[in-house]
Amino acid sequence: GAVVSQHPSWVICKSGTSVKIECRSLDFQATTMFWYRQFPKQSLMLMATSNEGSKATYEQGVEKDKFLINHASLTLSTLTVTSAHPEDSSFYICSARPAAGTSGRTDTQYFGPGTRLTVL
Amino acid sequence: GQQLNQSPQSMFIQEGEDVSMNCTSSSIFNTWLWYKQDPGEGPVLLIALYKAGELTSNGRLTAQFGITRKDSFLNISASIPSDVGIYFCAGQITGNQFYFGTGTSLTVIP
Repeated sequence: GAVVSQHPSWVICKSGTSVKIECRSLDFQATTMFWYRQFPKQSLMLMATSNEGSKATYEQGVEKDKFLINHASLTLSTLTVTSAHPEDSSFYICSARPAAGTSGRTDTQYFGPGTRLTVL
Repeated sequence: GQQLNQSPQSMFIQEGEDVSMNCTSSSIFNTWLWYKQDPGEGPVLLIALYKAGELTSNGRLTAQFGITRKDSFLNISASIPSDVGIYFCAGQITGNQFYFGTGTSLTVIP
């Protein structure tokens, strides 16, 4: 139980284009999803916290106009990297915190497999 | 923000040896979580701890929630090559307040 998927698993794009990454909770509902960025051999860096039906809360230093987050349903959150540049190349990982009464525990985060973004 | 101090930062051990890593914080947590991340993958939940003093096992893995609620450790017994990866601890204070350790990179030498 408590499975999270991400799509795509990897993407290569040209500089200046936008890329959308989807995060889905497959067997539970998630009122909260988190988006992380991870550089090689480093820990997870929280970018934003996304709550279903409301605006995402961004961490300090993360440009909300650059990284658009939409949490339109209890099972789907999307991260759109707008006007991507090579410095946006990274490993992006989402996680989901289950809603009460659904599969999984509300005091636990379940991670997706990650999306490798390469901007040329 | 809150910080979790995870140690050691890296470990190189012989296959068959036991491994111990821990996380400490100056803050009190209500939940401690241990994850393993393989290269190019997302972290996978290994063990979750929800009560102070709780000792939980998952196969060769054992983790404990410190009585002070400010620390947790993870032990791996009789390590095998597939234990290689980065192990992260995470603590939850409440709600969406989760904090992650900096990770322990484990290398198992056959």
